[in-house]
Amino acid sequence: EVQLMESGGGLVKPGGSLRLSCAASGFSFRTYSMNWVRQVPGKGLEWVAFISSSGRNTQYVDSVKGRFTISRDNAKNSLYLQMNSLKVEDTAVFYCARNNHDSFDIWGQGTTVTVSS
Amino acid sequence: DIQMTQSPSSLSASVGDRVTITCRASQTISDYLNWYQQRPGKAPKLLIYTASSLQSGVPSRFRGSRSGTDFTLTISSLQPEDFATYYCQQGFSTPRTFGQGTKLEMK
Repeated sequence: EVQLMESGGGLVKPGGSLRLSCAASGFSFRTYSMNWVRQVPGKGLEWVAFISSSGRNTQYVDSVKGRFTISRDNAKNSLYLQMNSLKVEDTAVFYCARNNHDSFDIWGQGTTVTVSS
Repeated sequence: DIQMTQSPSSLSASVGDRVTITCRASQTISDYLNWYQQRPGKAPKLLIYTASSLQSGVPSRFRGSRSGTDFTLTISSLQPEDFATYYCQQGFSTPRTFGQGTKLEMK
């Protein structure tokens, strides 16, 4: 079964750091580019970051540039999001999502990040 | 950034109804438009990609179409499991952007 499973969410103070992980299974992870998408509870979806299949190319939404870093380990079938200098407005459910046909065709169940003092 | 504007924001309908949701892009995006369904507490699910291609496993009552920069998701005969929130998303350029969502509620 094709599956993505996020972990690493939690409660962190403003200015703190958190590292999210996404474990992939059931498909050839190394051949797909990947994304992180977030959703503030009760609100819409926001794309956060992209990484190419090799990991050489990355892209970010402006609001997280310089604070978040997307990375991957193809040997471990894993995707990561290092989040530094967290702000209250980063509070959201974070999803990892597989890229296919310029769409997000497979999603994880999400992990919740809460930034609060 | 490309802005995606969905309408309506909410919609009340009954089982068996035909419903239409529209998404307009602020500039040309060719056919790079995708539709997602999100049920409460669940991750989004891809329904339609590149404007009109049905994702594998999605029922054929879901149909996508395009006219210029206007895109439409049509559900031909609503089923109980279709009451959810629907999002469009452009895959033409970065940053990828979503519409604000359309909440489909039971009348």
